[in-house]
Amino acid sequence: GQQVMQIPQYQHVQEGEDFTTYCNSSTTLSNIQWYKQRPGGHPVFLIQLVKSGEVKKQKRLTFQFGEAKKNSSLHITATQTTDVGTYFCANGGSQGNLIFGKGTKLSVKP
Amino acid sequence: DTGVSQNPRHKITKRGQNVTFRCDPISEHNRLYWYRQTLGQGPEFLTYFQNEAQLEKSRLLSDRFSAERPKGSFSTLEIQRTEQGDSAMYLCASSPTSGRTSGSYEQYFGPGTRLTVT
Repeated sequence: GQQVMQIPQYQHVQEGEDFTTYCNSSTTLSNIQWYKQRPGGHPVFLIQLVKSGEVKKQKRLTFQFGEAKKNSSLHITATQTTDVGTYFCANGGSQGNLIFGKGTKLSVKP
Repeated sequence: DTGVSQNPRHKITKRGQNVTFRCDPISEHNRLYWYRQTLGQGPEFLTYFQNEAQLEKSRLLSDRFSAERPKGSFSTLEIQRTEQGDSAMYLCASSPTSGRTSGSYEQYFGPGTRLTVT
């Protein structure tokens, strides 16, 4: 798998504001997976993107894969306190192992 | 529905001691992965098994680390002669190997074993 860089490292928002985290690679990615890790918890799979320009939605979450398959984003509309946690993107290697970014830690002020 | 389980959840050991962790994957999953996670970082891949075969090892896995999955079910990760730098959360994950025609398989993580080396 290829290395992926995530920005920002931290994001503090007021409840109801939107949030976006970005995942970038210098090389073409075969796929991108997104995981959420709540404080004190373990990573939980959210979604996988495979196709160029792919967009997937899960309620208030929108995931995009860039046309060149070198970047991806996760956008949360109208954040809630339940959205608190660290969001990781990960690239799947040829053997199935995942190469994770460092994550974006989201805090939401009620 | 039982997810991935790991034991123990916490382990405190003195430098130089050996420790062993256990992971029980989701029963129908063929693949089992070990990751290490330190504070503020994403999980780092250590090794993975397809059934009982260990197919890949990261360069992070020094010769003090050994992993087994003897019957293709549970797995153990042993760290010999622990060092303070080994303090981390050790995560196990499992995944299926069927049902997808593209991309990688999603991984289901266990709660982890937090190791503290004093």
